[in-house]
Amino acid sequence: GNSVTQMEGPVTLSEEAFLTINCTYTATGYPSLFWYVQYPGEGLQLLLKATKADDKGSNKGFEATYRKETTSFHLEKGSVQVSDSAVYFCALSKAGNMLTFGGGTRLMVKP
Amino acid sequence: GAVVSQHPSRVICKSGTSVKIECRSLDFQATTMFWYRQFPKQSLMLMATSNEGSKATYEQGVEKDKFLINHASLTLSTLTVTSAHPEDSSFYICSARTGGGLNTEAFFGQGTRLTVV
Repeated sequence: GNSVTQMEGPVTLSEEAFLTINCTYTATGYPSLFWYVQYPGEGLQLLLKATKADDKGSNKGFEATYRKETTSFHLEKGSVQVSDSAVYFCALSKAGNMLTFGGGTRLMVKP
Repeated sequence: GAVVSQHPSRVICKSGTSVKIECRSLDFQATTMFWYRQFPKQSLMLMATSNEGSKATYEQGVEKDKFLINHASLTLSTLTVTSAHPEDSSFYICSARTGGGLNTEAFFGQGTRLTVV
């Protein structure tokens, strides 16, 4: 079946540091890949997505590239801010079916 | 993007009572809605998938008689936790999507934190 594995947290960084959160997936065919962000006490918000190999999703300074050869969709940001502190979920979906989520990675950014 | 409204955001109920959570798509028609449950510091676990006008499809291990899902219209789905117990305390999140296909995006509600005392 489909599965998503992402690095365990928490990830603690200083403001303006470089962020990478690793995500790899297992799925047949060509899933769509997503990163969602969950701020404390809130639901999930779509951060970015990519629907085919070599696509790069980007939003709010975050980027992730769909790498089929390594089945990865790592999330990166060049300079994190305190306001980026949240839980980040990598997820996949196939043909409009339900999302399969990774375990989530908590990011804590210190001033 | 599209808006999904989930209500209530927080609810505290007594053990043995039932609680209804509503999920509304405000500016689009949601042919499919999903209900997730999230335990503290854990990922989201899909509970059930509901399509408008048909019975929900429950994931393995989810009691359909305990978690009643109704998707009576294209803009509203409800989850009723019947005879709630403290172990049902959790964060419940709905999501809604239109149609299907690779480019279909799921929009999430704000979540409902249920505490059963």
